[in-house]
Amino acid sequence: GNSVTQMEGPVTLSEEAFLTINCTYTATGYPSLFWYVQYPGEGLQLLLKATKADDKGSNKGFEATYRKETTSFHLEKGSVQVSDSAVYFCALTSFGSQGNLIFGKGTKLSVKP
Amino acid sequence: DTEVTQTPKHLVMGMTNKKSLKCEQHMGHRAMYWYKQKAKKPPELMFVYSYEKLSINESVPSRFSPECPNSSLLNLHLHALQPEDSALYLCASSKDRVALHQPQHFGDGTRLSIL
Repeated sequence: GNSVTQMEGPVTLSEEAFLTINCTYTATGYPSLFWYVQYPGEGLQLLLKATKADDKGSNKGFEATYRKETTSFHLEKGSVQVSDSAVYFCALTSFGSQGNLIFGKGTKLSVKP
Repeated sequence: DTEVTQTPKHLVMGMTNKKSLKCEQHMGHRAMYWYKQKAKKPPELMFVYSYEKLSINESVPSRFSPECPNSSLLNLHLHALQPEDSALYLCASSKDRVALHQPQHFGDGTRLSIL
């Protein structure tokens, strides 16, 4: 089946710290991978995506690389800001999911000044 | 600003009321989705419309009734809801349901409270 596992939160960091949120997946075929971010009181925003092995998605200082050999798509940022405080969801689509998004449970990030 | 617009942003209703949630997109997307999100959980898929036809109903109770009047609009009609239906309801759209590399774009949601 298709599933996404991401590290449990909450994650609390100081401003300018390095961020890693781990995400691994199980999927049939060749999935497309996404990171979505949800700020308090808002909907989900696409943060970045990667559609084939070794692709690197990047946006707003965040990066994630599609690693087929380890079935991973870890989210990283070199220096977090207070404004990055949000919930981050790793997700995939695949033929096995009928094109539907399969989400991880989400990781809440809190950044302290 | 989100490209998927949902109204209203907040809705409080009694268990006997009838109300509707609305969703609009003008990106030319042909797939539209309704999700339910409870606190501290990921969104759960409810319905999928593809080219204005209902293609997926994830065993949602009949008190939720979706409608897609045209390719830009998606409604969710609510009737006789239960307190456990209180949640954030999210609408999303994508270019095509089977274009796996195309992301879904979400609205900001309607926060629904059932009294």
